Amino acid sequence: NAGVMQNPRHLVRRRGQEARLRCSPMKGHSHVYWYRQLPEEGLKFMVYLQKENIIDESGMPKERFSAEFPKEGPSILRIQQVVRGDSAAYFCASSPQVTGEQYFGPGTRLTVT
Amino acid sequence: GEDVEQSLFLSVREGDSSVINCTYTDSSSTYLYWYKQEPGAGLQLLTYIFSNMDMKQDQRLTVLLNKKDKHLSLRIADTQTGDSAIYFCAEIFMEYGNKLVFGAGTILRVKS
Repeated sequence: NAGVMQNPRHLVRRRGQEARLRCSPMKGHSHVYWYRQLPEEGLKFMVYLQKENIIDESGMPKERFSAEFPKEGPSILRIQQVVRGDSAAYFCASSPQVTGEQYFGPGTRLTVT
Repeated sequence: GEDVEQSLFLSVREGDSSVINCTYTDSSSTYLYWYKQEPGAGLQLLTYIFSNMDMKQDQRLTVLLNKKDKHLSLRIADTQTGDSAIYFCAEIFMEYGNKLVFGAGTILRVKS
């Protein structure tokens, strides 16, 4: 059973461009979480999704950020018009049920130049 | 509020025991977790403890939970250089699902 997959592992964008981060959960997992880790900080919750539904987006910035988890395919975290402050590691986690442990992917390290 | 606190740095000698401490905020948290992060890598789930337990042992790892003081600790016996990493404790907020709230992490450095 492959673990949580994220791609790309590293992403460089210039200010104003769009960043798309992908997450494929573990097989059989239908719950996906996105977290952001700023340099030398812990992880901060961004959004929790189930297939085709956003359940909790209380940690998402109000503008420029969006997330989806379509019926088919990976979950996508999209950042429009990136700014330098968006530079961080973005981690995806999945769990098989609401009360299950969360298993993390290797992360996408976004650098905005 | 949601605030998990950890000491920032711990240095031990190879073969000694390491104890990493954490305080959490939500007395209703059902599960508390310890994750390990090596440089440039994702988070590896090490162990977790259910809130009705005081202690859980898993090979070299021992988790102690003091619910009254909202204090969690992770003890690593016979610490090895491969244990050098950042250790995060996390608690669950179950308002809408399993939102994990993490501490800032404790850097464990093991000297040979």
